[in-house]
Amino acid sequence: EPEVTQTPSHQVTQMGQEVILRCVPISNHLYFYWYRQILGQKVEFLVSFYNNEISEKSEIFDDQFSVERPDGSNFTLKIRSTKLEDSAMYFCASEVDGSSYEQYFGPGTRLTVT
Amino acid sequence: AQTVTQSQPEMSVQEAETVTLSCTYDTSESDYYLFWYKQPPSRQMILVIRQEAYKQQNATENRFSVNFQKAAKSFSLKISDSQLGDAAMYFCAYRPRNQFYFGTGTSLTVIP
Repeated sequence: EPEVTQTPSHQVTQMGQEVILRCVPISNHLYFYWYRQILGQKVEFLVSFYNNEISEKSEIFDDQFSVERPDGSNFTLKIRSTKLEDSAMYFCASEVDGSSYEQYFGPGTRLTVT
Repeated sequence: AQTVTQSQPEMSVQEAETVTLSCTYDTSESDYYLFWYKQPPSRQMILVIRQEAYKQQNATENRFSVNFQKAAKSFSLKISDSQLGDAAMYFCAYRPRNQFYFGTGTSLTVIP
């Protein structure tokens, strides 16, 4: 069964550094999402992406964040200058269309900012 | 504000017994979707069950069923004949349009 993959599984970085989290969505899906989950807290929506542009973003998704689909398969989340509070699990999800259908989640990347 | 509340941080159930996980949400929308997702330890979230708000009939997927009370904005998950593999974090989610709003989760322990 096709699945969403994410790399790396764990990323450790120093405060102020840039990080890029990578996701490979399911191939025939058209909508892509990033979520984060700070340890012990709920999953929070960051951004949705469709047709090579952001379709919706939350207040968490400030100028430090950007997303890109550099080729036909990868979907990336870049954090320009990481802060301690960016430490979280980041989940990518994809969906075949933007309706009520199931979003398929990746296994997540644990980002630790020191 | 659109919020999802799961008032039970932890629940436990004996194997083969039934357990109900609670979820309430706050919305002014009339059309939306509700979901229960399961997140096993160190694994990604997977969809357990989905409910369309316009449908009065409660969704059922094998041992999993929901009790959807639209007026009360309540969406509980019932797991029947609990199995060891049901042990996980369960998240209730609400979706009015594009993004999901998740609750804080309920950690379910299944006791052999």
